[in-house]
Amino acid sequence: RKEVEQDPGPFNVPEGATVAFNCTYSNSASQSFFWYRQDCRKEPKLLMSVYSSGNEDGRFTAQLNRASQYISLLIRDSKLSDSATYLCVVRNQGGKLIFGQGTELSVKP
Amino acid sequence: DAGVIQSPRHEVTEMGQEVTLRCKPISGHNSLFWYRQTMMRGLELLIYFNNNVPIDDSGMPEDRFSAKMPNASFSTLKIQPSEPRDSAVYFCASGWEGTGDRNEQFFGPGTRLTVL
Repeated sequence: RKEVEQDPGPFNVPEGATVAFNCTYSNSASQSFFWYRQDCRKEPKLLMSVYSSGNEDGRFTAQLNRASQYISLLIRDSKLSDSATYLCVVRNQGGKLIFGQGTELSVKP
Repeated sequence: DAGVIQSPRHEVTEMGQEVTLRCKPISGHNSLFWYRQTMMRGLELLIYFNNNVPIDDSGMPEDRFSAKMPNASFSTLKIQPSEPRDSAVYFCASGWEGTGDRNEQFFGPGTRLTVL
């Protein structure tokens, strides 16, 4: 079983739609959590950290459920520019970042 | 700040040849990471350094792979001899590892390696 698992997608949604990505992790001792975004043929970039109480950044909302070892990302009012691959990332107790395979999002006009 | 710099951006080589990938981390960062990304395996950590010292190289696939960080502003990843299955995008990332930090990693643009 992979340490971080995501639905690979692709998710094809129209502009303005709300889309949610889910992620599960296997190591209960994981310390911190992130969502990274990777555009086609580009490097990954941090989108947002995920805090236990949940956090929001504009149209993006991240939530963490430590009991279920589950992380989510919600994108509201999706834009064409949101098209990318979204990587769920977990930092383990050794300090390493473990990346999920990524979920591909395609926002259509 | 120029960000993490990697060279070359693209490398095409023949099986058996030596390949050297280079990375210049962001000034002031104390940690450096080498990753490999393929369609099949996703993004995998190969090795990381903290204060120029290798901390964890458990992700290095074989003895053909080696990495060095002679100083805080330069690192290399070497593959010798290269094989077709080494074809991938190799990313270097840097960050600040410290108590209480969120530990964001900043990635370079990557080196796209093709071994024929």
